[in-house]
Amino acid sequence: DIQMTQSPSTLSASVGDRVTITCRASQSISIWLAWYQQKPGKAPKLLIYRASSLQSGVPSRFSGSGSGTEFTLTISSLQPDDFATYYCQQYNSNPPITFGPGTKVDIK
Amino acid sequence: QVQLQESGPGLVKPSETLSLTCTVSGGSISSYYWSWIRQPPGKTLEWIGYIYYSGSTNYNPSLRSRVTISVDTSKDQFSLKLSSVTAADTAIYYCARVSDVYNPTTYFDYWGQGTLVTVSS
Repeated sequence: DIQMTQSPSTLSASVGDRVTITCRASQSISIWLAWYQQKPGKAPKLLIYRASSLQSGVPSRFSGSGSGTEFTLTISSLQPDDFATYYCQQYNSNPPITFGPGTKVDIK
Repeated sequence: QVQLQESGPGLVKPSETLSLTCTVSGGSISSYYWSWIRQPPGKTLEWIGYIYYSGSTNYNPSLRSRVTISVDTSKDQFSLKLSSVTAADTAIYYCARVSDVYNPTTYFDYWGQGTLVTVSS
């Protein structure tokens, strides 16, 4: 299985901050990566697919980049609604699809 | 707007079979792939498997020996059965739609709200 790691595991930030989360794959996954946002007690919400494509309805302050084994999710100006946990998911080598361990973004 | 809703028992005894159903509304179950994904409390997500409306399936190798996913297109429902459960199977179980109609193992654009299943005697 392809193992996914994320850093940091927790990130403390303030409203208006630029936030970057990194996701790494144990082997190349080309651009086959998605990002999700999950709030407590809720299902994950798709933000980004194919590493950098923004899902319909997702604010443009979210962006994704990367290829191969290293990827980033950037929030250009953190909003109050963005405090949540973020997961990356690879879909290059499957089954199985695998998810990263998550990065929690909380209030500084 | 597609909506998914999981249903089933919230408590299952060890060694028994966990059974859940996902009902799809706001759109037909046809032409898409559908998945089950679970999340143990405080942990990350684990893909369980998918089913096509035609009935073809594929499962996570780590669970393959215990998992069965089936579909009932007349009711726009698909179901999960996980046998011989242990405490390690305690998790929130989500049903989700695979976004890509041609590739069943991509990403998920619609999710149910999730249902917590606890394995305990």
